[in-house]
Amino acid sequence: SQQGEEDPQALSIQEGENATMNCSYKTSINNLQWYRQNSGRGLVHLILIRSNEREKHSGRLRVTLDTSKKSSSLLITASRAADTASYFCATDAEGYSTLTFGKGTMLLVSP
Amino acid sequence: DAGITQSPRYKITETGRQVTLMCHQTWSHSYMFWYRQDLGHGLRLIYYSAAADITDKGEVPDGYVVSRSKTENFPLTLESATRSQTSVYFCASRELDGQLFFGSGTQLSVL
Repeated sequence: SQQGEEDPQALSIQEGENATMNCSYKTSINNLQWYRQNSGRGLVHLILIRSNEREKHSGRLRVTLDTSKKSSSLLITASRAADTASYFCATDAEGYSTLTFGKGTMLLVSP
Repeated sequence: DAGITQSPRYKITETGRQVTLMCHQTWSHSYMFWYRQDLGHGLRLIYYSAAADITDKGEVPDGYVVSRSKTENFPLTLESATRSQTSVYFCASRELDGQLFFGSGTQLSVL
């Protein structure tokens, strides 16, 4: 399976702390994407990092990609209660036109 | 408004009935997808389409039928609903190598 695997499955932190989520995958990729899902809602795209990129920033988000280890991490700095959601990585594998999602990390940020 | 629309938002049906979930996008994206989301399984791809009249199976296609006569529409039909098809269904669209845009989802209960 090409499926990405997020780690940890659940993460509980206080407001103001940083949250780090990891994603591992198995095949060569064109890009890797991170999505956020609030309870009961559709997924929202956060950031896309291409296979030739090592790091990307968007606001309080920082994504890294290590293709030699087939892994990525998502860092949310200075977390807020509104960041409480599930976060998914999705791999866009070479030779495929579909994205494969992991099972997600549930992030709880307490005030 | 530009976007991707799913209907209905909620559906309750009985085993053996045929159910069609609708999906409409306004971007003219080439690719459209149907995913189901279940606890413990994350998002799993049911079917996808690369263009009008071109469809292909995903990870869990059994019991589902799709069609794509127009670029903007991608309905998903459960030919004879079973309890195991109780799930939240998400439609999404994108261009190749780009991000996915998701609908709000259809929560389906099969009794």
